[in-house]
Amino acid sequence: DAGITQSPRHKVTETGTPVTLRCHQTENHRYMYWYRQDPGHGLRLIHYSYGVKDTDKGEVSDGYSVSRSKTEDFLLTLESATSSQTSVYFCAISPLEYRESYEQYFGPGTRLTVT
Amino acid sequence: GQQVMQIPQYQHVQEGEDFTTYCNSSTTLSNIQWYKQRPGGHPVFLIQLVKSGEVKKQKRLTFQFGEAKKNSSLHITATQTTDVGTYFCVCSGGSNYKLTFGKGTLLTVNP
Repeated sequence: DAGITQSPRHKVTETGTPVTLRCHQTENHRYMYWYRQDPGHGLRLIHYSYGVKDTDKGEVSDGYSVSRSKTEDFLLTLESATSSQTSVYFCAISPLEYRESYEQYFGPGTRLTVT
Repeated sequence: GQQVMQIPQYQHVQEGEDFTTYCNSSTTLSNIQWYKQRPGGHPVFLIQLVKSGEVKKQKRLTFQFGEAKKNSSLHITATQTTDVGTYFCVCSGGSNYKLTFGKGTLLTVNP
């Protein structure tokens, strides 16, 4: 497995509280991604990064922000968590800059419950 | 953006039976990827198809990319209980470094 870790792995939080999820990679890849996975929707892209301080929105970015101050870390923040953000969150990396292949490698996921 | 539709949504088979899942797009795809996610796990990259009509095999798994690059299939021969999971087809959504996932086909195998 690619060197990707996510923390925390599980979190329960209350509506209205801020939450930050961390993705850490040891592969030195430029491209990193945050997805959420919900029943009936598959995986949907929240935000992605194509380098330090370079980020952009995915298809479901409302209510989320990201930061990438170092190559190895990509943070996802829910400024004020809502119950609709209860989900499993996956981080992924891509070796796109090294070879012409678009595969992504996923972290183990964070299960977030907003009560 | 680009979207891919997968059928069937669910498939239950007896161990030893074959299984096929299909992926369709209304637009021409530059490439298609397949991922497998075991229950409780994370998606794992299986393969990427790029060329029109491409066929690739991995042991009992056969992947095809249509001639028009608008559809793809994954066929598993003689399923085993280890094949259980959700199989996703994935396309590059708009720009090549953003992926759009299909909703997946959940395969269950009765031993």
